Amino acid sequence: KNEVEQSPQNLTAQEGEFITINCSYSVGISALHWLQQHPGGGIVSLFMLSSGKKKHGRLIATINIQEKHSSLHITASHPRDSAVYICAVLDRANNDMRFGAGTRLTVKP
Amino acid sequence: EPEVTQTPSHQVTQMGQEVILRCVPISNHLYFYWYRQILGQKVEFLVSFYNNEISEKSEIFDDQFSVERPDGSNFTLKIRSTKLEDSAMYFCASSEERPDTQYFGPGTRLTVL
Repeated sequence: KNEVEQSPQNLTAQEGEFITINCSYSVGISALHWLQQHPGGGIVSLFMLSSGKKKHGRLIATINIQEKHSSLHITASHPRDSAVYICAVLDRANNDMRFGAGTRLTVKP
Repeated sequence: EPEVTQTPSHQVTQMGQEVILRCVPISNHLYFYWYRQILGQKVEFLVSFYNNEISEKSEIFDDQFSVERPDGSNFTLKIRSTKLEDSAMYFCASSEERPDTQYFGPGTRLTVL
């Protein structure tokens, strides 16, 4: 059973489109992370959330603790946003980090 | 901007050999982590380390694995007797607190032949 589910698995968008990536989880968490994995494999942390909403540039992340759901939004998407976006949760019970399978985003010019 | 570094970037080894993967976390960070990602699969947590001891470890982190902070800057992952299935990208990360934003290194690609 996958404790962290992401949707969609793959997403193709045209430049300028508004993007939403969803993450649902089944365990109690201390925090939720959104990560970006570049085509070369490197991982960059975008957000860490435990409640509410965070914004950084064109990226917005929200979390609903009661519904165990988080979304990552990208406004005015650009080809350089093409990457795999990974949701990861810190399991409150054992402090393990549990990862989603990732959403592969391709933004076409 | 401070960053996490890892060496080597690529390690090729024979099955049964010992390997040591090295990481230099960000200097004022107190929490250190190792993750692995088998090609085409999701990232998996291996171990977290704080105050010179393991704080959590996953089922993957069996007796073949060990971690050490041999000095004030390096954080190492040792695999005692490598297996073919250990082939993966290994990422080190560090954070100031927990939970907190984690900063990832560029990864070491381990290939076991």
